Amino acid sequence: AQKITQTQPGMFVQEKEAVTLDCTYDTSDPSYGLFWYKQPSSGEMIFLIYQGSYDQQNATEGRYSLNFQKARKSANLVISASQLGDSAMYFCAMREGLQGAQKLVFGQGTRLTINP
Amino acid sequence: EAQVTQNPRYLITVTGKKLTVTCSQNMNHEYMSWYRQDPGLGLRQIYYSMNVEVTDKGDVPEGYKVSRKEKRNFPLILESPSPNQTSLYFCASRVRGFVLYEQYFGPGTRLTVT
Repeated sequence: AQKITQTQPGMFVQEKEAVTLDCTYDTSDPSYGLFWYKQPSSGEMIFLIYQGSYDQQNATEGRYSLNFQKARKSANLVISASQLGDSAMYFCAMREGLQGAQKLVFGQGTRLTINP
Repeated sequence: EAQVTQNPRYLITVTGKKLTVTCSQNMNHEYMSWYRQDPGLGLRQIYYSMNVEVTDKGDVPEGYKVSRKEKRNFPLILESPSPNQTSLYFCASRVRGFVLYEQYFGPGTRLTVT
């Protein structure tokens, strides 16, 4: 079974609009962390935001926020006021507790295109 | 500047010709990993190391070798590359500890095997 599922292969959004990128996860470990990374066309992986399973509040970092719904096992990334520079591939990833502490498990990614 | 470096950044080679992709980090991190990225599959872990002389297989280790003789270096070795190893490769490192520590990625190595 997929540990991380990103159901949107591609998304097209108008500049300045907010956009939500979906991510659902599957784990039975009570301790885990969820990450979002951005990969522009140049290829590097850029860390955006992190949410821990015990965090009471949704994580925010500037224009990025993580809509964490633990019961639904979803960790959607919300980008407010999108910009042309937000066009990129976005990956959701999870690290599980101590047993899986050595790796990140990634989703398939969502390619976001911001139109002017 | 804290960073993970990889070399080379781009490599085109032929089937069967041994190659090594180097990875180095300057943050004194215990954990280092190699991932490969393929379209539609995201990133998948190849090998990881939890410290010097401690390495283990990830999800897709076939056809790869690694070594960790020094804390800062974690080279990826393809003894006999094949076309199905054409991919984008990332080295990553992080501090040993619980889940919340960010993983730092290198810039990537784009490998083509013909």
